[in-house]
Amino acid sequence: GAGVSQSPSNKVTEKGKDVELRCDPISGHTALYWYRQRLGQGLEFLIYFQGNSAPDKSGLPSDRFSAERTGESVSTLTIQRTQQEDSAVYLCASRLRAGGSNEQFFGPGTRLTVL
Amino acid sequence: AQSVTQLDSHVSVSEGTPVLLRCNYSSSYSPSLFWYVQHPNKGLQLLLKYTSAATLVKGINGFEAEFKKSETSFHLTKPSAHMSDAAEYFCVVSSDYKLSFGAGTTVTVRA
Repeated sequence: GAGVSQSPSNKVTEKGKDVELRCDPISGHTALYWYRQRLGQGLEFLIYFQGNSAPDKSGLPSDRFSAERTGESVSTLTIQRTQQEDSAVYLCASRLRAGGSNEQFFGPGTRLTVL
Repeated sequence: AQSVTQLDSHVSVSEGTPVLLRCNYSSSYSPSLFWYVQHPNKGLQLLLKYTSAATLVKGINGFEAEFKKSETSFHLTKPSAHMSDAAEYFCVVSSDYKLSFGAGTTVTVRA
């Protein structure tokens, strides 16, 4: 079956522009996560959705970052007024249910480059 | 609170020799533990997971990990490394909804 998909796969933008990243989770997965991975580093948690609510936004680095989710479907991560330090790979993952040993399935990521 | 420490940032082995990637965790709850692998320019793939059914867990590609509660460890091993094992490996602890990732261990395999 279809896995987690993300678009675009690559995005190059100029400093100060807004960008929108999209994630399509596996159908039926209620939990959705966004992570950031800077070059050569581990995964940094950004936000967690359960359905279309976000009980944990604690990882969003600033108010320039926001995310929303439509029902138990598509999620978008928006970065406003991008800065060079926002350059990273943004990963989305979904889980059938949060908690326990349920596996997170990862998308291929969006590589964001801010010039 | 939960956290993961991967004790080696980089491991280099010769092809055909054993691989050991060390992971220690802390968790307030009975954790679920995972190892993920990330090949260059590829997505993250689950290698194996601990679900409390058995302390020795077998995963894909010949990897296995042993959960040791007394040592709060979940080390990953493979008896014989292959060139295709060169990748980044992440140890992950989960309780409730949140997953915490270790910083990663880069494995290089020498011919």
